[in-house]
Amino acid sequence: AQSVSQHNHHVILSEAASLELGCNYSYGGTVNLFWYVQYPGQHLQLLLKYFSGDPLVKGIKGFEAEFIKSKFSFNLRKPSVQWSDTAEYFCAVIPSSNDYKLSFGAGTTVTVRA
Amino acid sequence: EPEVTQTPSHQVTQMGQEVILHCVPISNHLYFYWYRQILGQKVEFLVSFYNNEISEKSEIFDDQFSVERPDGSNFTLKIRSTKLEDSAMYFCASSANREDTQYFGPGTRLTVL
Repeated sequence: AQSVSQHNHHVILSEAASLELGCNYSYGGTVNLFWYVQYPGQHLQLLLKYFSGDPLVKGIKGFEAEFIKSKFSFNLRKPSVQWSDTAEYFCAVIPSSNDYKLSFGAGTTVTVRA
Repeated sequence: EPEVTQTPSHQVTQMGQEVILHCVPISNHLYFYWYRQILGQKVEFLVSFYNNEISEKSEIFDDQFSVERPDGSNFTLKIRSTKLEDSAMYFCASSANREDTQYFGPGTRLTVL
């Protein structure tokens, strides 16, 4: 079945550590790719998105993601995390240009220890 | 910054009862969506709505579900006869264009007893 996979369920790291969250999708053809974040008690917010062009996308709060078409991947990175990055992170895909719906990964909970 | 709002934040209902979840999308947006997340599971698409009609719906969105935009600002999700398995967090979202970013509301937690 077509899906979005996030490799890690829960990641725990210390402040200033680097973060990389994996995301793979199994849809063929054109895709639009997103990373959303949900801070504790808040709603889903867009971190960054990729539609076309430069496969290295920069988002808010120092996050970036790289689209590697050959690997069907869109991994999220941040070189140095802060305690305030503690949140749940969701990768999401719109599978085709005629498709309205976001298909979400299961989410990765990131806990940053001060 | 404009936000999607949802009410109520938490709804508790008895099995078999009707519930209506309310959303106010961002005012100049044209595309509206409902998603849900059952505890411990993925966020799942339910339905998209454009130009006063359903654009796409998932298998979950059966005859028990309906959506409406009654007054040009509100966007509602109705579940006619709730089941225990409808307990979930329901998220409303809106976007300016079909391929544009979808902005999410804070969600309504529905608990069916």
